[in-house]
Amino acid sequence: DAKTTQPPSMDCAEGRAANLPCNHSTISGNEYVYWYRQIHSQGPQYIIHGLKNNETNEMASLIITEDRKSSTLILPHATLRDTAVYYCIVRVSGKAAGNKLTFGGGTRVLVKP
Amino acid sequence: EPEVTQTPSHQVTQMGQEVILRCVPISNHLYFYWYRQILGQKVEFLVSFYNNEISEKSEIFDDQFSVERPDGSNFTLKIRSTKLEDSAMYFCASSTRIGLAGLQETQYFGPGTRLLVL
Repeated sequence: DAKTTQPPSMDCAEGRAANLPCNHSTISGNEYVYWYRQIHSQGPQYIIHGLKNNETNEMASLIITEDRKSSTLILPHATLRDTAVYYCIVRVSGKAAGNKLTFGGGTRVLVKP
Repeated sequence: EPEVTQTPSHQVTQMGQEVILRCVPISNHLYFYWYRQILGQKVEFLVSFYNNEISEKSEIFDDQFSVERPDGSNFTLKIRSTKLEDSAMYFCASSTRIGLAGLQETQYFGPGTRLLVL
């Protein structure tokens, strides 16, 4: 699976949009971008994933650049409960690929009042 | 909304003792996983399990570890003789399937069991 690079930390104001970048310059055509978050040692929580199109769900939006070398997770209106470590994970899809998730250090997001 | 559950939430044991961590995956899921997270470190993959056998395991998953699906709902991780360095949060996860891209491959995690080996 391709390696990802994320800033170690960032702050965000409550009620504002939080934009979390992720670089995955070695991503290949069959690799998906997944985002998880972990709130204070709880189990990782799935947020969203995508291949090449932008995606949106009730939690967040995922913007993937046209060359797929980077992506941005957008939390549209951050709340204090969004304070967590956010992980960007690139993962090959398909049976032959195996199915483990490889977690990096993530971005520690602190939402401030 | 269906979720993965784990018991116990906390476990304290003496070095050398056996522990069994229990997980109930989401009911229609077929693929099961264990991960661990040592305090302050990254989440690490241990093992994946499908169709009553291990499909993949990491270097961490040595002979001291075993997994089992003893019935139709539980998935267990056994550590035969615990060491101090086994102290960690252990997370169970499950997914519907692999080989079909997208949401059905998404892994959903339980809340974890905090294991402390003294």
